[in-house]
Amino acid sequence: SQELEQSPQSLIVQEGKNLTINCTSSKTLYGLYWYKQKYGEGLIFLMMLQKGGEEKSHEKITAKLDEKKQQSSLHITASQPSHAGIYLCGAQLTGTASKLTFGTGTRLQVTL
Amino acid sequence: GAVVSQHPSWVICKSGTSVKIECRSLDFQATTMFWYRQFPKQSLMLMATSNEGSKATYEQGVEKDKFLINHASLTLSTLTVTSAHPEDSSFYICSARDASGGRTGELFFGEGSRLTVL
Repeated sequence: SQELEQSPQSLIVQEGKNLTINCTSSKTLYGLYWYKQKYGEGLIFLMMLQKGGEEKSHEKITAKLDEKKQQSSLHITASQPSHAGIYLCGAQLTGTASKLTFGTGTRLQVTL
Repeated sequence: GAVVSQHPSWVICKSGTSVKIECRSLDFQATTMFWYRQFPKQSLMLMATSNEGSKATYEQGVEKDKFLINHASLTLSTLTVTSAHPEDSSFYICSARDASGGRTGELFFGEGSRLTVL
């Protein structure tokens, strides 16, 4: 079974709508990273969360870490076509810094 | 900002040949780099940890004799796919963290290298 599950697997939203992507771990999270990827391209770093209850925002994207639930959520407010892509959560599941286990990914499409 | 660069971006080779992919940290030093593989519509899977000046550490199920990793300097790690076969066709991505800790927390990824084995 997957150590890191993302939901939903895919999402289609109308421009201007809000959306949330969840990332749930079966193990304790030492750190949680969110990345955006366009198919066949590299990863763009969005945010990193380490402390339980931590919340970070960048432009219209907010990420939260609920350490107790071993879960993180990524929320996009007033989505735009530029937000389209694949969102990946990467978790540090061991004490080894930088070694990440990735979630299954969420494919986001934003329609006009 | 910090950049991790991979070369080549695309490579097509014949079955049985070897292919080398380079991963460079352009403005920081990295004692450790990581190599991932991504198959179409799947997530990234860690293949190995590249350690500067020492042997790489491979994940379970990854053949170390097939995927040779060399981390000869603090800014360069190479992945060589030896005797490549069509099933090795994939998207290979490396990542690195600034060893000085100047950018706390951020783990940088390369642009990826798409390998197609005919």
